Amino acid sequence: AQSVTQLDSQVPVFEEAPVELRCNYSSSVSVYLFWYVQYPNQGLQLLLKYLSGSTLVKGINGFEAEFNKSQTSFHLRKPSVHISDTAEYFCAVILANAGGTSYGKLTFGQGTILTVHP
Amino acid sequence: NAGVTQTPKFQVLKTGQSMTLQCAQDMNHEYMSWYRQDPGMGLRLIHYSVGAGITDQGEVPNGYNVSRSTTEDFPLRLLSAAPSQTSVYFCASSSAGAGFDEQFFGPGTRLTVL
Repeated sequence: AQSVTQLDSQVPVFEEAPVELRCNYSSSVSVYLFWYVQYPNQGLQLLLKYLSGSTLVKGINGFEAEFNKSQTSFHLRKPSVHISDTAEYFCAVILANAGGTSYGKLTFGQGTILTVHP
Repeated sequence: NAGVTQTPKFQVLKTGQSMTLQCAQDMNHEYMSWYRQDPGMGLRLIHYSVGAGITDQGEVPNGYNVSRSTTEDFPLRLLSAAPSQTSVYFCASSSAGAGFDEQFFGPGTRLTVL
């Protein structure tokens, strides 16, 4: 079975500073990787995804992530954060090439709360 | 499109009561899932469905039932509520299409069991 570990439960940062949210995964087979964001009292919104191809993936709101197969990591980065980026961020995986039976089954990390201070 | 809708937004139950959380999507997605979100644990999969008439268990299925009689609807039933089921519940849907598409999430139902 696959698992996801987000290495930081909380990350405080000042506005306009860079940020990296760390995510490691474990799986015996190939996976697709995702980052979701959850603003307070809202549902989850997809930031970006890695399915195949270039290991550097760009998403919405200036975020990007790099897939590193050898280190089984998918860290999320933003060069300059805004107050509006304050939210909880979730890394998630789904089995790749497992046919349709895997598509409803995301496995999530524990979440990282990003707090941007003025 | 309304996307994924969930009702109710909030619910308080007493231990032992039963209820159904409603989920509907208007995107003609094949796949639908229920997750629960608890602090420090991320989201965990309760049940999922790959199409009408087909459901299967996820990571934490105990105490919950689902059925999928139509493509659009995927209700989650709590048979006899327990305080351990206090959580925020999210429904999601997706379509494989030509590859894997993202899961779209509803706004959530916040459930408290006293």
